[in-house]
Amino acid sequence: EPEVTQTPSHQVTQMGQEVILRCVPISNHLYFYWYRQILGQKVEFLVSFYNNEISEKSEIFDDQFSVERPDGSNFTLKIRSTKLEDSAMYFCASSLYQGNTEAFFGQGTRLTVV
Amino acid sequence: SQQGEEDPQALSIQEGENATMNCSYKTSINNLQWYRQNSGRGLVHLILIRSNEREKHSGRLRVTLDTSKKSSSLLITASRAADTASYFCASGTGANSKLTFGKGITLSVRP
Repeated sequence: EPEVTQTPSHQVTQMGQEVILRCVPISNHLYFYWYRQILGQKVEFLVSFYNNEISEKSEIFDDQFSVERPDGSNFTLKIRSTKLEDSAMYFCASSLYQGNTEAFFGQGTRLTVV
Repeated sequence: SQQGEEDPQALSIQEGENATMNCSYKTSINNLQWYRQNSGRGLVHLILIRSNEREKHSGRLRVTLDTSKKSSSLLITASRAADTASYFCASGTGANSKLTFGKGITLSVRP
């Protein structure tokens, strides 16, 4: 069964360092998303991406964040200069269509900023 | 309360019993999706119900949607110990299908 895969599963980084979280969406999906879940809190929307452009982003997704689809399969989230409060589980998701369609999530990358 | 609030926050039942979880939301939605998360792991998609649908079934899952009350319920019948997990509702809104999640319900199914 097709699935969204994320690497690494766990990343520890020092405050101020750049991190890149990687995702391989389901191969025929066209819409891609990043969400995050701070420990014990809700899953929060960060950004949606379609046709090599950001479709929508939340207030959390500030200038420290960027997304890219560098090739036909990968979708990345970059945090330029990590802060302690960026520690969270980051989920990538993809969907085939926009609108009334299921979004399938990856297993997540647990980012720990020390 | 915020978009996508579930209740109860925690539910403990015996194996074989049915589990009912409720979700409320505030704004107009395109759809309502339910997800399961096992112990800090990934979000597994369970079922999607569209705003023009009232009830949907998938295996042991039954989801209802009442747009007049802005609420949804997820029923798991004949629960198993393996159903132990956190369950989230997520409302899909807007052209970009952004999902707004609730805080989740922790379901414990005792063997």
